[in-house]
Amino acid sequence: DAGVTQSPTHLIKTRGQQVTLRCSPKSGHDTVSWYQQALGQGPQFIFQYYEEEERQRGNFPDRFSGHQFPNYSSELNVNALLLGDSALYLCASNHGDTQYFGPGTRLTVL
Amino acid sequence: RKEVEQDPGPFNVPEGATVAFNCTYSNSASQSFFWYRQDCRKEPKLLMSVYSSGNEDGRFTAQLNRASQYISLLIRDSKLSDSATYLCAVNAVTGGSYIPTFGRGTSLIVHP
Repeated sequence: DAGVTQSPTHLIKTRGQQVTLRCSPKSGHDTVSWYQQALGQGPQFIFQYYEEEERQRGNFPDRFSGHQFPNYSSELNVNALLLGDSALYLCASNHGDTQYFGPGTRLTVL
Repeated sequence: RKEVEQDPGPFNVPEGATVAFNCTYSNSASQSFFWYRQDCRKEPKLLMSVYSSGNEDGRFTAQLNRASQYISLLIRDSKLSDSATYLCAVNAVTGGSYIPTFGRGTSLIVHP
């Protein structure tokens, strides 16, 4: 039984570029959430997708957008990258009220 | 005041010690509570859920105090392999969804 998977593992971009991160939830899970974790901080909720729609959104600008596909996989898109977007981006899928995290994508913006 | 607060530490303890962490939360409508373990540059892994009656799993015990709005994690007989960051997560229901808020984590270093 595969857990939550994410790609790519690492990514280096420059300011102003755009990035797409991908996530496949744990088998049987239909809800996907995305988090940003800066160094020394806890994960910060970006948004949650369920039935291909954004169900909830955290305090992140519109530069952060997402999508969920019919197979429940999801993408996180970030436009106009800033240096401050450098972080570990975590995807989690839900089983009830419990979140299970993927290995994350480490994004570095230069 | 932050929604979920943790002492970042680090807590530096010898092998075999007992160590306890607390996590306070501000939203009295919070419904479920969790402890996660996060190793350096890795993803958080669920350690245990925290129930009103408390929860014990081997050397780990988690407690919930709703009146004072905090959860705790007790680790007995610490092992070197317990060295990690421990994150607490507090769920509130928002628009029909469970949305967790995480603390910044408490760093534990267990030394020989």
